[in-house]
Amino acid sequence: EVQLVQSGAEVKKPGDSLKISCQGSGYSFSDFWIAWVRLMPGKGLEWMGIIYPPDSYARYSPSFQGQVTISVDKSTNTAYLQWSSLEASDTAIYYCARRTTLLRGIGCDAFDVWGQGTVVTVSS
Amino acid sequence: EVVLTQSPGTLSVSPGERATLSCRASQRISNNYLAWYQQRPGQAPGLLIYAASSRATGVPDRFSGSGSGTDFTLTITRLETEDSAVYYCQHSGASRWTFGQGTKVEIK
Repeated sequence: EVQLVQSGAEVKKPGDSLKISCQGSGYSFSDFWIAWVRLMPGKGLEWMGIIYPPDSYARYSPSFQGQVTISVDKSTNTAYLQWSSLEASDTAIYYCARRTTLLRGIGCDAFDVWGQGTVVTVSS
Repeated sequence: EVVLTQSPGTLSVSPGERATLSCRASQRISNNYLAWYQQRPGQAPGLLIYAASSRATGVPDRFSGSGSGTDFTLTITRLETEDSAVYYCQHSGASRWTFGQGTKVEIK
C-alpha cells in the first residue's frame, strides 16, 4: 500500500524548535516530490514548499521562505519540516503530500497521496 | 502567480440533489493542470479530480470536473451525506502550487 505516515502531535512553547517527519512506503520514494501543506484553524489549505528527494532540491512559497526548512533523508524515505523558533501563529495541522505528474497516462500536477497530518500547537 | 477564487463559500444541499462548485483562475491555465480535493471533517485531503476532468482512482462517478481557461467546475450529483466536506481546487505553474480558499458543502 502506498502511504505517507507522519509523526505525532506536538505541543510546544513560543521560541521552541521543532522538526516533524513524513515517511513514505509502498513506492519508490525518490521518484516523487514531497510537498508540505498547512491548514490553520478555520482557514484553507496553503502550500508551503516542496522537495525532490534525489538531490534535496527544495522550493518554498514566498509566504514561508525563511520561516521553515524542508529536508529529506533518502536512506529512510523520510521528509522533514522544521522550525528554528516557533510562534503561536504556527499552530496548525501540517500535511505532507506526494506530487504526481502522470496519472493513468494523463499529464497532471496534483497531490495524489497525503499523510494523515501532524497537529502542532504552540502556546505559552 | 495564479490566484484561485472559489464560490460559493458555503453550499447547503439536500441529499439526492446536485451541487455545483466554481473555481475561477486570475490567469488562463493553459495546460488544464487543475485538481480538486475533498477534505472531510477530521481527515486529510483526498484527490478527487486531476487535469480538470479526470477522476482519481476510486472516486464515484457522481463527481465530475469540467472547464478550461479560467473557469472550472466540480459537479456532484445525487448528493450523499458522506459528501459533506470542504472542497478545494488547486493549480500548479512556474514552480508554485496554489489552492483556492475552499467551498464547504453542507447536507441539509
